[in-house]
Amino acid sequence: EAEVAQSPRYKITEKSQAVAFWCDPISGHATLYWYRQILGQGPELLVQFQDESVVDDSQLPKDRFSAERLKGVDSTLKIQPAELGDSAMYLCASSLVGTGMSDYGYTFGSGTRLTVV
Amino acid sequence: TQLLEQSPQFLSIQEGENLTVYCNSSSVFSSLQWYRQEPGEGPVLLVTVVTGGEVKKLKRLTFQFGDARKDSSLHITAAQPGDTGLYLCAGDMYSGGGADGLTFGKGTHLIIQP
Repeated sequence: EAEVAQSPRYKITEKSQAVAFWCDPISGHATLYWYRQILGQGPELLVQFQDESVVDDSQLPKDRFSAERLKGVDSTLKIQPAELGDSAMYLCASSLVGTGMSDYGYTFGSGTRLTVV
Repeated sequence: TQLLEQSPQFLSIQEGENLTVYCNSSSVFSSLQWYRQEPGEGPVLLVTVVTGGEVKKLKRLTFQFGDARKDSSLHITAAQPGDTGLYLCAGDMYSGGGADGLTFGKGTHLIIQP
């Protein structure tokens, strides 16, 4: 069964350092999402890509977060500098089509658990 | 303000009992999805409901979408320890603009005790 690949699974970093997460969506999935999930809560959307273009980054803290999907396939989410409050699970998801055809749902990766110390 | 309110937040019951969890909103959704998430893993899609009043069954799980497409419920019959997990509802407010990710509730933490 096709999976969304994310790495690393776990990351511990000191505050003020830079950290990056990588996501490889299911082949052929045009839409890619990055979500942040604080322990005990539901995921919150950070950024949505359609192919290589950002279609929604309204909830991305742009002073420290950046995301790219240069070739419209895999994607990188970066935080610089990391803050204590950034500790969370960072989830990547992909879908075959954009919203409005939600019968397909999203396929999530296993996430990257970030701890900032 | 949380767009999707899930209740209860926590639920611990004995194996074999029935349970219902709820997902409510004042907003109308074009579709609503239910996910199950285990610790340290990403959410896994269980079902998508699209039509108001729609009922879908997945083995012992029954999902219903409210007539007005503002709320949904998940009913589990004869719960088993393997049903333990975080159940998340997520709404799609697609409006044709193409820039709407799913909005998630905070989830219901379900524990089924043997």
